[in-house]
Amino acid sequence: EAGVTQFPSHSVIEKGQTVTLRCDPISGHDNLYWYRRVMGKEIKFLLHFVKESKQDESGMPNNRFLAERTGGTYSTLKVQPAELEDSGVYFCASSQDAASNRGLYNEQFFGPGTRLTVL
Amino acid sequence: KNEVEQSPQNLTAQEGEFITINCSYSVGISALHWLQQHPGGGIVSLFMLSSGKKKHGRLIATINIQEKHSSLHITASHPRDSAVYICAGIKAAGNKLTFGGGTRVLVKP
Repeated sequence: EAGVTQFPSHSVIEKGQTVTLRCDPISGHDNLYWYRRVMGKEIKFLLHFVKESKQDESGMPNNRFLAERTGGTYSTLKVQPAELEDSGVYFCASSQDAASNRGLYNEQFFGPGTRLTVL
Repeated sequence: KNEVEQSPQNLTAQEGEFITINCSYSVGISALHWLQQHPGGGIVSLFMLSSGKKKHGRLIATINIQEKHSSLHITASHPRDSAVYICAGIKAAGNKLTFGGGTRVLVKP
């Protein structure tokens, strides 16, 4: 079974440009999470999809970030316009069905991450 | 203060030594993920636990709910265990993870 995949693995862009990151979760996983590690800091939560709906987007830094998950399959995270402080590694993770609504814990499986550098 | 605190930040051990990484967490966190990240690699889930102890090969994870503390132990450490080990707390609502800062482990042959 294929794991979580992310594209691209690396992206180098200039300040002010737009970048779109993609995450393909494990097939059949309803939950999809975006996380980010900025240099020298711990990994932080960005947002959580349940199927195509945004369950929690409390970690999104500002309105330059837009996440979508049309059809409830893959997700994209667009940064427009990118700023220097957006540099970091963006991780995606997925987990099985929406059991979280019943207070159960589902193991999250992580993608390899996208390293974004904004110059 | 972070909701999840790990110690130590860095750890160097000789091959064969027993390694312990500690994680303390705050109220509201109901379970913990222990994760591993190799240099340049992705993140791999090692354990998810909400009580007691789990063992997988040379890795053992324990959690004390009353003290809000968890430990990851590596027995008979090997150079291939060199990686960053991350403790992440799970909040019941939504299962989003709150991460500790990670412990960089280097096992020397």
